[in-house]
Amino acid sequence: SYVLTQPPSVSVAPGQTATISCGGDNIGGKSVHWYQQKPGQAPVLVVYDDSARPSGIPERFSGSNAAVDTATLTITGVEAGDEATYYCQVLDSKRDQLVFGGGTKLTVL
Amino acid sequence: VQLVESGGGLVRPGGSLRLACEVSGFSFSSYDMAWVRQAPGKGLEWLSYIGGTRPTKWYADSARGRFTISRDNDKNSLFLQLNRLSGDDTAFYYCARVGVTMVPGGIFSHYFDQWGQGTLVTVSS
Repeated sequence: SYVLTQPPSVSVAPGQTATISCGGDNIGGKSVHWYQQKPGQAPVLVVYDDSARPSGIPERFSGSNAAVDTATLTITGVEAGDEATYYCQVLDSKRDQLVFGGGTKLTVL
Repeated sequence: VQLVESGGGLVRPGGSLRLACEVSGFSFSSYDMAWVRQAPGKGLEWLSYIGGTRPTKWYADSARGRFTISRDNDKNSLFLQLNRLSGDDTAFYYCARVGVTMVPGGIFSHYFDQWGQGTLVTVSS
C-alpha cells in the first residue's frame, strides 16, 4: 500500500515560518492535500491540489509538490492559533485508496 | 453546508452499528462522499468512499468485508454499516464531502472539503 511519511512534530516561534514535509514514492506525480486539526475539532482542508487554498484559508498557508518524493506545507508568519496537527493526503489511484500521512503536530513556542 | 453524523455509541465486540450522516446546504446527489475515522489520540484513517452519480465504492483494507457504505440521495443521507466490531474499531467516525478535480496530466484528485463533527463508536464488553 502507498505510505505517506510526516515528521511527528515541528516547533516554531511566533512570526517565523513552519515547514511540514510529506514524503511518498513519486509523490510529485500525485495531487497532495493538507488538513489542519485542532484538539477536539474536525479536520479542516487548508490546501488542495498541491497549492490551492479553499475559500477562507489565509494566504499564510501554502503548499508545494515540486520534488519527486516530498511535498511541503509552509505556514508563514506563524500565529498561536496555528497550533494544531497537520495531515497530508493523496489518492493512490492504482488501488483506489485514499491515504493520509501520520500527522505532524505543530507547536508554536 | 452541514454534515451531521449520528448512530455512534457503545457496542460489544462482535456487534454491529449503522452510522448515518445527514447533510444540508449543498446538492448531496452531485457529490462523492466518504467516511474517515480517528482512534483516540491517533491519526486520520480513511475507511470508505462512494460516488455521487456513479455507483462506485472504495474501501480501505481495514474496512473491506466488514463495513458497507451506502447513500440515500432522496434523504440527503450517507450511511456506514459496521459489522463484526472489535476494540480496534473504537474511534470517532467522520463523514466528509469529497471534492474531485482533474489536475494537469489527467490526474484525478480526491480530497475532503467538508467534514462533520463526528460520532464516537466505542467497542467494549
